[in-house]
Amino acid sequence: SQTIHQWPATLVQPVGSPLSLECTVEGTSNPNLYWYRQAAGRGLQLLFYSVGIGQISSEVPQNLSASRPQDRQFILSSKKLLLSDSGFYLCAWSVAGPGSNSPLHFGNGTRLTVT
Amino acid sequence: AQTVTQSQPEMSVQEAETVTLSCTYDTSENNYYLFWYKQPPSRQMILVIRQEAYKQQNATENRFSVNFQKAAKSFSLKISDSQLGDTAMYFCAFTQGGSEKLVFGKGMKLTVNP
Repeated sequence: SQTIHQWPATLVQPVGSPLSLECTVEGTSNPNLYWYRQAAGRGLQLLFYSVGIGQISSEVPQNLSASRPQDRQFILSSKKLLLSDSGFYLCAWSVAGPGSNSPLHFGNGTRLTVT
Repeated sequence: AQTVTQSQPEMSVQEAETVTLSCTYDTSENNYYLFWYKQPPSRQMILVIRQEAYKQQNATENRFSVNFQKAAKSFSLKISDSQLGDTAMYFCAFTQGGSEKLVFGKGMKLTVNP
């Protein structure tokens, strides 16, 4: 069966510090991978998605970046965190895009607090 | 751009009763998919139900069913025989056919009271 791992579960970082959140998927090959951010009262905002190794699509221009160094690994990074980067970050995968009726499977999320 | 609107930020229902969560969306496309996701206090996002726009029959999954009104661009979720474990945030989501992206509404907090 497929599983998705996301870590860390919680993170407190000072403004200006770097960020690295990691997500890995097991039990499937060439998944679509996604990073979402959930802010209070604002639903889920798609940040990045990837349909293959090295292929990253950015939805929201900001100081975050994503990389996919391996087929089932997706990393969210920042060189310098801002207060506005605080939120709940969710990684997700799907067999194909949701537009193929393929549901997204989510990780447990990372609560990031920038102080 | 496609948008998803959940106009009710919060609802409560008594255990064993039925509750309906509303969702509307805006698109000019004819081929798309709609989803309801549930996020309990554990924060794990879980797929509840999905509907293909080309299907006229409303999707059903056990106690969960949808009322899909394509002309009105409405996609409501009905939870029958509500249980305490149904307490969660519920998100309506939309994706265009062939798209890699899922657009979410802002969510609605449902509380099931004993």
